[in-house]
Amino acid sequence: GESVGLHLPTLSVQEGDNSIINCAYSNSASDYFIWYKQESGKGPQFIIDIRSNMDKRQGQRVTVLLNKTVKHLSLQIAATQPGDSAVYFCAENIGGGSYIPTFGRGTSLIVHP
Amino acid sequence: DAGVIQSPRHEVTEMGQEVTLRCKPISGHDYLFWYRQTMMRGLELLIYFNNNVPIDDSGMPEDRFSAKMPNASFSTLKIQPSEPRDSAVYFCASSADSSGYTFGSGTRLTVV
Repeated sequence: GESVGLHLPTLSVQEGDNSIINCAYSNSASDYFIWYKQESGKGPQFIIDIRSNMDKRQGQRVTVLLNKTVKHLSLQIAATQPGDSAVYFCAENIGGGSYIPTFGRGTSLIVHP
Repeated sequence: DAGVIQSPRHEVTEMGQEVTLRCKPISGHDYLFWYRQTMMRGLELLIYFNNNVPIDDSGMPEDRFSAKMPNASFSTLKIQPSEPRDSAVYFCASSADSSGYTFGSGTRLTVV
């Protein structure tokens, strides 16, 4: 079956740098994408979402980019802080009404002070 | 709102014992999901409910697993009998129709 995958399992950055976490999806029918952040000992938390009719969406210090041509999703974190250290998941929803996402394996972001 | 509430936070049990995990979704959310998270498999959807009705339980690994949602504010996931390979973190999440999930803090299950 089709699945969501991540290019990099671990990303290490210095505090203050910008971080980019990538995600490849293979289901061209996916129409809604979400990024989640999971800190140690906690459940995943919603960060930002984007629908397939958009190619960019910005939040506070985070930007999600969607490239439907190559089925690629990225999460950009500006001025990365130690508190951003976590595992980041992308999730895709193939649409059709109910929102039942498929989660990728996750990328661990490590921010060095 | 207190968010999605799961109990217990940690559970250690012996192989063969029955384990019951509990979840209270956010009030007004009509979808409830049970996930299992392991290092090997990541987040796996076990079952989800809509308006208290089980919609898809194809992710439930075996007949040893069962889930119920007797009312809009409570759900249980039961494993009977438990096995060491069931050790994982189990998350409950809820959502309103077609919006993002809110996850609970999870139950870390260890079966020895």
